[in-house]
Amino acid sequence: DAGITQSPRHKVTETGTPVTLRCHQTENHRYMYWYRQDPGHGLRLIHYSYGVKDTDKGEVSDGYSVSRSKTEDFLLTLESATSSQTSVYFCAMGLAVNTGELFFGEGSRLTVL
Amino acid sequence: EDQVTQSPEALRLQEGESSSLNCSYTVSGLRGLFWYRQDPGKGPEFLFTLYSAGEEKEKERLKATLTKKESFLHITAPKPEDSATYLCAVQATTDKLIFGTGTRLQVFP
Repeated sequence: DAGITQSPRHKVTETGTPVTLRCHQTENHRYMYWYRQDPGHGLRLIHYSYGVKDTDKGEVSDGYSVSRSKTEDFLLTLESATSSQTSVYFCAMGLAVNTGELFFGEGSRLTVL
Repeated sequence: EDQVTQSPEALRLQEGESSSLNCSYTVSGLRGLFWYRQDPGKGPEFLFTLYSAGEEKEKERLKATLTKKESFLHITAPKPEDSATYLCAVQATTDKLIFGTGTRLQVFP
């Protein structure tokens, strides 16, 4: 009964191809986030959303775009994937925009060859 | 520069051997400190929020404490199922949330 799911869970793609990761939540939370997790780094915020069609950049947003057309769905797109975007991507939701109490999905492992 | 450092990077304990994980931070102003547990191949799971020095929170064998410069996650009589990576995150008054790199805990029977 996970309230937040990500798809795909695993993806291998080639440099230069577009990739879209999907996050779906059933909790009606207003705030959603995309993070990436890499060895030697803490989780780093890519983009976040504070409502339908309202999004903003995080600290590592270059090369990524997001869209949120419905409360329950938050999409992360890599327009032209690069090897430096090989990572594990986590979607999260929160009850407030500036909360540190986040509920994470199980992650999407992306490998860019 | 706002910074969060967790130590040790890895910790191996025998079942029942109590220990502590450290999260030290440097931020312009603290709004909150958060602890998460992350199992392999899973997303982080929220454990605790601490807001001010002197505050403590407990959950089963875990107790989190906070001072003005660091937080400790004390694990009392750990069990193998406590094995996980424990993440600390600090929210500054700028609202930026900064995650540490985590402590990987292994508890052996």
